[in-house]
Amino acid sequence: ELKVEQNPLFLSMQEGKNYTIYCNYSTTSDRLYWYRQDPGKSLESLFVLLSNGAVKQEGRLMASLDTKARLSTLHITAAVHDLSATYFCAVDFIQGAQKLVFGQGTRLTINP
Amino acid sequence: DTGVSQDPRHKITKRGQNVTFRCDPISEHNRLYWYRQTLGQGPEFLTYFQNEAQLEKSRLLSDRFSAERPKGSFSTLEIQRTEQGDSAMYLCAGGGSLNTEAFFGQGTRLTVV
Repeated sequence: ELKVEQNPLFLSMQEGKNYTIYCNYSTTSDRLYWYRQDPGKSLESLFVLLSNGAVKQEGRLMASLDTKARLSTLHITAAVHDLSATYFCAVDFIQGAQKLVFGQGTRLTINP
Repeated sequence: DTGVSQDPRHKITKRGQNVTFRCDPISEHNRLYWYRQTLGQGPEFLTYFQNEAQLEKSRLLSDRFSAERPKGSFSTLEIQRTEQGDSAMYLCAGGGSLNTEAFFGQGTRLTVV
C-alpha cells in the first residue's frame, strides 16, 4: 500500500524557535513535494525534491530528501507568526505521473 | 497565479441534488487531475486526464461521480445524488509534460446539507 505519514500532526511553537516536520513514505520514490495550505485555501507549492540528497531552501524553510530512508524533512528556522499554516508532503510514486499521495498534514501554529 | 481556475469557489446544495464543478487550466496543461480533500485530511486522488483521455480513476470515485474533459481543455466533475459525505474541497491541478510539476487551482468547497 502506498502510504505517506507525517509527524507531528500538530505543532505549536514560539516565534524564534527551530523545528522539523518529518515525512515518511512506504515505497521507493525520488519525487516528493511540500505544500502549504492556509485555512479555507488551496495548496501552495513550496518545494519539489527530485533526487536523493536534494536540499532546497526558501527563507526560513528548508526541505531535504533521503530516498534510501524514504524520509523527507521540512525544517523551520527562527519561526515567525506568518508561517502558521498546515504543511503537507506528497509523494509521486509513479515517476513523473504526478498522481500524488499526500500525508495527513502538520498543522503548525506559531505563537508570538 | 497557477493558471488553473475553478468555478464555483463555493457550493451549498441539498442532499440528493446533482452538482457540477468546472476546472479551466491553461492551454499548456495537457494533464489534469482532480483531488478531494475532506476536513482535516490531506487531498486524495480522484482521477487524471491526459488531454481528453481519462487515464485513471480512483476507487474513491463511485458511480455517482463522473468527470469529463471533452476537448482536452476544461474539465467538469459531476456528482449525482449528493450525500453529506461528499462535503469536501474539490481540487483541480493542471500540468504539462510528464516529470513537470502540476499546479493546483483555488478549489471548490462543497457543502451538502
